[in-house]
Amino acid sequence: GIQVEQSPPDLILQEGANSTLRCNFSDSVNNLQWFHQNPWGQLINLFYIPSGTKQNGRLSATTVATERYSLLYISSSQTTDSGVYFCAVLYWGETSGSRLTFGEGTQLTVNP
Amino acid sequence: DVKVTQSSRYLVKRTGEKVFLECVQDMDHENMFWYRQDPGLGLRLIYFSYDVKMKEKGDIPEGYSVSREKKERFSLILESASTNQTSMYLCASSFRVRTGGNEQYFGPGTRLTVT
Repeated sequence: GIQVEQSPPDLILQEGANSTLRCNFSDSVNNLQWFHQNPWGQLINLFYIPSGTKQNGRLSATTVATERYSLLYISSSQTTDSGVYFCAVLYWGETSGSRLTFGEGTQLTVNP
Repeated sequence: DVKVTQSSRYLVKRTGEKVFLECVQDMDHENMFWYRQDPGLGLRLIYFSYDVKMKEKGDIPEGYSVSREKKERFSLILESASTNQTSMYLCASSFRVRTGGNEQYFGPGTRLTVT
């Protein structure tokens, strides 16, 4: 099956710093999502990004599908950005619909 | 806004009990999914359904069954709960096959403890 690797596994920042999270995947995929898991466990959708670049406030993401990686940028980090960030790749088949395979996540801690 | 709801946030059951976890979505999505999340093992797919009364095994279906009688509702059943099924359970939904529209949306999760 498809392998998804995220780096770094852990990241500690001071408030105001910028960071880049990376996601590598082992095969062609139909799409890719980035999530933030909040302290209560809910997965919050950040980006749905098959290729190219998208921005949403202080967050942006870039996927280079031909080279099988995606990057999540967090600028001017805040303590509320703390949590686990997951990359998940999407593939689908005629009968199986769309399936996600998740990376292990990056644990981000932003200190005041 | 897409809304996926799960019947309980926290649940405590005894070994051997039959457990039902319910998930409802309001976006008319064809696909629905059940995952479990465990420390060190990440999120793993248990079962999914791409239509009413249809189901497919995911990566770890053993010990679980599912039911999809209505499009908006997908139930996960633990026939005889065991302690190794203590976990966080997450439900998700998405459109089946739409150009640019396969994004999955997740519910808030159910933390199940089996004692």
